Amino acid sequence: AQKVTQAQTEISVVEKEDVTLDCVYETRDTTYYLFWYKQPPSGELVFLIRRNSFDEQNEISGRYSWNFQKSTSSFNFTITASQVVDSAVYFCALSEGPYRQNFVFGPGTRLSVLP
Amino acid sequence: DGGITQSPKYLFRKEGQNVTLSCEQNLNHDAMYWYRQDPGQGLRLIYYSQIVNDFQKGDIAEGYSVSREKKESFPLTVTSAQKNPTAFYLCASSISDSYNEQFFGPGTRLTVL
Repeated sequence: AQKVTQAQTEISVVEKEDVTLDCVYETRDTTYYLFWYKQPPSGELVFLIRRNSFDEQNEISGRYSWNFQKSTSSFNFTITASQVVDSAVYFCALSEGPYRQNFVFGPGTRLSVLP
Repeated sequence: DGGITQSPKYLFRKEGQNVTLSCEQNLNHDAMYWYRQDPGQGLRLIYYSQIVNDFQKGDIAEGYSVSREKKESFPLTVTSAQKNPTAFYLCASSISDSYNEQFFGPGTRLTVL
């Protein structure tokens, strides 16, 4: 069973629009970590954020913000006033334990920001 | 600057040849990983190593081999047994275990001619 779902395969927005990328996860553990990564056209994945299961505070970093809701098992990512440079594939990931076999990436959402 | 380097950026191989992809990190990370990414797809884990001289198979290890003789190096060999080796290969490292974020190299794009 897929443990990380990113239902939006592709999203297109016009520059300056706000956009939210959805991430729904599945776990039975009480301790886990969630991550977001960005993969621009160059290919290298860039780490954006890590959040542990005990911290439900929303996070804001510039134009980026993350909404973590344990009640709905979601960890959504919002880009405010999108820019062309935000065009990339965004991956959500879940780590249920310290061992590599407990780490899983979602399928990714391709975001295209049009000028 | 600290980071992960992968070489070469592009690699072409004839069918039947083995080829080795390099991955080096100077972040002093214990754990290292190799992923494969096919066009329009997500990441699939090939091999990972949490400590020197030890490594484990990931989800798609068949046709690949690795070594971890030094903390900073984790080379991946794509053997002739790998049936569809054309893909984008990403190397990553993390401080220790999977609770920590992984940092990625720029990737190697392998094409089999």
